[in-house]
Amino acid sequence: AQKVTQAQTEISVVEKEDVTLDCVYETRDTTYYLFWYKQPPSGELVFLIRRNSFDEQNEISGRYSWNFQKSTSSFNFTITASQVVDSAVYFCALRGGRGSNYKLTFGKGTLLTVNP
Amino acid sequence: KAGVTQTPRYLIKTRGQQVTLSCSPISGHRSVSWYQQTPGQGLQFLFEYFSETQRNKGNFPGRFSGRQFSNSRSEMNVSTLELGDSALYLCASSQLGGQGDTPGELFFGEGSRLTVL
Repeated sequence: AQKVTQAQTEISVVEKEDVTLDCVYETRDTTYYLFWYKQPPSGELVFLIRRNSFDEQNEISGRYSWNFQKSTSSFNFTITASQVVDSAVYFCALRGGRGSNYKLTFGKGTLLTVNP
Repeated sequence: KAGVTQTPRYLIKTRGQQVTLSCSPISGHRSVSWYQQTPGQGLQFLFEYFSETQRNKGNFPGRFSGRQFSNSRSEMNVSTLELGDSALYLCASSQLGGQGDTPGELFFGEGSRLTVL
């Protein structure tokens, strides 16, 4: 069975602070994909990034960066110089390979509040 | 390009009733997935359809069912509603869906918020 754990239920920061959202996953598949989604108050989940299990390169996109470490089964997400507009619920998700019938599993989410 | 459209956006039902929710995926997308989101359980996978066939199913009772039409539009139905079925039901579509394909990003609709009284 696959599992995604986001240990931080809620995080509150002041604008311009850096913040890291943790994600730890479990899977028996050798090929899998990891995702981060953002859910603003409107409810719609917005895709942020996809990473496959063979690509451990870290990625940076503007103020966002992701640290994928297979050795610790973690896929952490960092927002640099946070802004109020970053306030949302962030979900980490894992899509397994053939062994799990390509099932997509979400973590429980981390509510990030950025205060002005 | 129109996004994923879910209808209705809000609805209120009473226990014992049934409900049907509709999802129109992005044009060209053949894979549609449904998720239930509640404060306590988070996002839980209901089922996934690809080319009118249910490919994956989550751990929900048989009261939850779905289908996909030839135009990729999908519906889900919940019969004999219970208070615990109150939730935000999210639909997502994806361009890629064949097994073995690199999974594309999921595009989500804004959801249908169901309240059961």
